[in-house]
Amino acid sequence: GAGVSQSPSNKVTEKGKDVELRCDPISGHTALYWYRQSLGQGLEFLIYFQGNSAPDKSGLPSDRFSAERTGGSVSTLTIQRTQQEDSAVYLCASSSSGRVGEQFFGPGTRLTVL
Amino acid sequence: QKEVEQDPGPLSVPEGAIVSLNCTYSNSAFQYFMWYRQYSRKGPELLMYTYSSGNKEDGRFTAQVDKSSKYISLFIRDSQPSDSATYLCATQGAGGFKTIFGAGTRLFVKA
Repeated sequence: GAGVSQSPSNKVTEKGKDVELRCDPISGHTALYWYRQSLGQGLEFLIYFQGNSAPDKSGLPSDRFSAERTGGSVSTLTIQRTQQEDSAVYLCASSSSGRVGEQFFGPGTRLTVL
Repeated sequence: QKEVEQDPGPLSVPEGAIVSLNCTYSNSAFQYFMWYRQYSRKGPELLMYTYSSGNKEDGRFTAQVDKSSKYISLFIRDSQPSDSATYLCATQGAGGFKTIFGAGTRLFVKA
């Protein structure tokens, strides 16, 4: 079956522009995560959605970052007024709520802010 | 101090060697412990998943958790060049799904 997909795979933008990154989770997975991975760094937790519950936004680094999940499926991560330090790979993962610990990752979106 | 500490390496070993990868964590509330493998320009994939202390074996891979010392290990026996990747440890608390990852250790297995 289809895995987690993300688009675009690569995004180059200019400092100050807004960007939207998309994640399509595995069908039926109720949990969805966004992470950021900078060069040489581990995965930095950004935000977590679980079903209809309020999302856990505790990892968002600033108010320039926001995310939404429509209809319990597709999610969009928006970064406003991008800065060079936002350059990283943004990874999305989904999981079935019954399997704590196991997350299925997409291939990521590589964001470069010039 | 990071909640999960992991030596980024790189670690280079000859084919057939036993590899030991380790992490330490600071929060005693963590209950679930995972190891993910990440190949270059790919998303991580789950290798092993354990709950609380103890060992878990899957083929050439053994995951070990010692909650008393807050120490997580992954052992790879008979390492192969195809094992060359970045290995990330991760933890979760009992009540929520927020996952904390280590920085990842880059492993090279030379043929």
